[in-house]
Amino acid sequence: GQQVMQIPQYQHVQEGEDFTTYCNSSTTLSNIQWYKQRPGGHPVFLIQLVKSGEVKKQKRLTFQFGEAKKNSSLHITATQTTDVGTYFCAGPNYGQNFVFGPGTRLSVLP
Amino acid sequence: DAGVIQSPRHEVTEMGQEVTLRCKLISGHNSLFWYRQTMMRGLELLIYFNNNVPIDDSGMPEDRFSAKMPNASFSTLKIQPSEPRDSAVYFCASGGSGVLAGELFFGEGSRLTVL
Repeated sequence: GQQVMQIPQYQHVQEGEDFTTYCNSSTTLSNIQWYKQRPGGHPVFLIQLVKSGEVKKQKRLTFQFGEAKKNSSLHITATQTTDVGTYFCAGPNYGQNFVFGPGTRLSVLP
Repeated sequence: DAGVIQSPRHEVTEMGQEVTLRCKLISGHNSLFWYRQTMMRGLELLIYFNNNVPIDDSGMPEDRFSAKMPNASFSTLKIQPSEPRDSAVYFCASGGSGVLAGELFFGEGSRLTVL
């Protein structure tokens, strides 16, 4: 079946540093989603990318979908303590069934 | 809208007991997902319903697990008998269709501890 991998598993950064997490799929994706889960919380939808090579920005967050639609990245500029959490990418298996990657846990040191 | 509502938020039970987790979907959504989250295995999809019909239950660990969707807005996940390895956070998520398709809305989860 489809597999979605993410690297790194953990990332510790100093506040103000940039952060990037990468997502790779074993198959071509029709779209990809990103979610954020705060410690003790539940996953919250951030964005969905659909087009090959698509780049979307949300304030300090930049999301990119690869040209081959098999990989994606999330980049955070100048991290803040509010960015702490685990970031998941998710790709459709079939229908509306989404397979989640293992996540990248971000900690931000003040 | 109140969002996806799960109950109980926390459950501590003893091995062998029956556990029932409940989920109320967002009004108008027609897809329902049950996920289990553990440190070791991450977010695992257990079962997925669309229009009250189970579409994919390949993630259900074994016969001890069962899920139902008796109506368009409510679902239950039952574990009988429960085992310590079932300890996890169980999330329910709902999604729409058509223009609403894509984004999944997660409930706050039910943290299950089986002693």
